[in-house]
Amino acid sequence: GNSVTQMEGPVTLSEEAFLTINCTYTATGYPSLFWYVQYPGEGLQLLLKATKADDKGSNKGFEATYRKETTSFHLEKGSVQVSDSAVYFCALNSGYALNFGKGTSLLVTP
Amino acid sequence: EADIYQTPRYLVIGTGKKITLECSQTMGHDKMYWYQQDPGMELHLIHYSYGVNSTEKGDLSSESTVSRIRTEHFPLTLESARPSHTSQYLCASTDGTSGYNEQFFGPGTRLTVL
Repeated sequence: GNSVTQMEGPVTLSEEAFLTINCTYTATGYPSLFWYVQYPGEGLQLLLKATKADDKGSNKGFEATYRKETTSFHLEKGSVQVSDSAVYFCALNSGYALNFGKGTSLLVTP
Repeated sequence: EADIYQTPRYLVIGTGKKITLECSQTMGHDKMYWYQQDPGMELHLIHYSYGVNSTEKGDLSSESTVSRIRTEHFPLTLESARPSHTSQYLCASTDGTSGYNEQFFGPGTRLTVL
């Protein structure tokens, strides 16, 4: 069945560092892929999405490219801020629902 | 901006009590979902609905029940709460028409059963 694997955290970075959070998927066909972010005490918010191979999703300085050859959708940001501290979830469309990864906690220190 | 609401935001109750967690959305979405989020952050789908009078169990077995009498409302009920039910519960919805299944989430209810 469809599944998502993302790197385990926590990830701790200094402000302005480069961020990569790895996400790989297993799926039949080419499902839509998503990154969600969860700030402390809140629900999940859609960060970005890609609906077909080679699409690049981007938002708030974050980017991810849907790569079918490596079945990956890695999240990147060139310069993180303290306000980016949150939990990040990779997800794919499994048809009846979204399959989420286990989440990666990011802490950015000043 | 997504308009999906959950009440209460926080609930502390004693064992054996019956509780209902409310979820409402004003976007006219047909599909709605309940997730249980454990302390390790992982999300587990416990219920979903494709529309009025449609409910299905999710991937994780749950002692809770749901109903869908109106499109905008998808409450979750625990008949007899236990400490093992302590968790964060997240409600989500999607219109499903795009085929992408992009989901919008409510703020969550953090439940503590003593």
